[in-house]
Amino acid sequence: AQSVTQLDSQVPVFEEAPVELRCNYSSSVSVYLFWYVQYPNQGLQLLLKYLSGSTLVKGINGFEAEFNKSQTSFHLRKPSVHISDTAEYFCAVSDSRSGGYNKLIFGAGTRLAVHP
Amino acid sequence: SAVISQKPSRDICQRGTSLTIQCQVDSQVTMMFWYRQQPGQSLTLIATANQGSEATYESGFVIDKFPISRPNLTFSTLTVSNMSPEDSSIYLCSVDAGRGAYEQYFGPGTRLTVT
Repeated sequence: AQSVTQLDSQVPVFEEAPVELRCNYSSSVSVYLFWYVQYPNQGLQLLLKYLSGSTLVKGINGFEAEFNKSQTSFHLRKPSVHISDTAEYFCAVSDSRSGGYNKLIFGAGTRLAVHP
Repeated sequence: SAVISQKPSRDICQRGTSLTIQCQVDSQVTMMFWYRQQPGQSLTLIATANQGSEATYESGFVIDKFPISRPNLTFSTLTVSNMSPEDSSIYLCSVDAGRGAYEQYFGPGTRLTVT
């Protein structure tokens, strides 16, 4: 079964600094990867996804992620964060062999705290 | 993308009672999903609901505790039965984005506190 590991439970960072949130997944023949953001008291919003093609994926709000098959990683980056980026970030994987529908498996989440 | 609403947004319930959570989508979708997010934790899939068939439950979740209905392509309910404080969580529904997309769209969640 697929699994997702988010290596950092919390990441504190100052405003306008760069940030990287790390995500590793268990190996599979075919895998689709996602990053979701959850703002306080809200549901999950899709930031970006990797299905195939270019390994560098750009998403909303200036975020990007790089798919690295050899390292089974899908790290999320932003060159300059804002206070409004403070939220919980979830990495997720969809196993394309999961029987006809897209079952998502989530990592434990990383709390990004942006300080002024 | 689909717009998903959930009712209620939050509730405080007594131990031993049941709560039914509603999930409404603004378009017809094949698959709907119910997740539990315990305090400070990640999302755990409870079950998958396909219109016209019985829900498929994940390991550790049973129909008697979490009965699900899926009467049409835009609506589903999840009932949390015989609640205990351990059921205090956020319950989220989501929908499959459709063929070729693979992601899911999420509702705002229902925050349940059991006392």
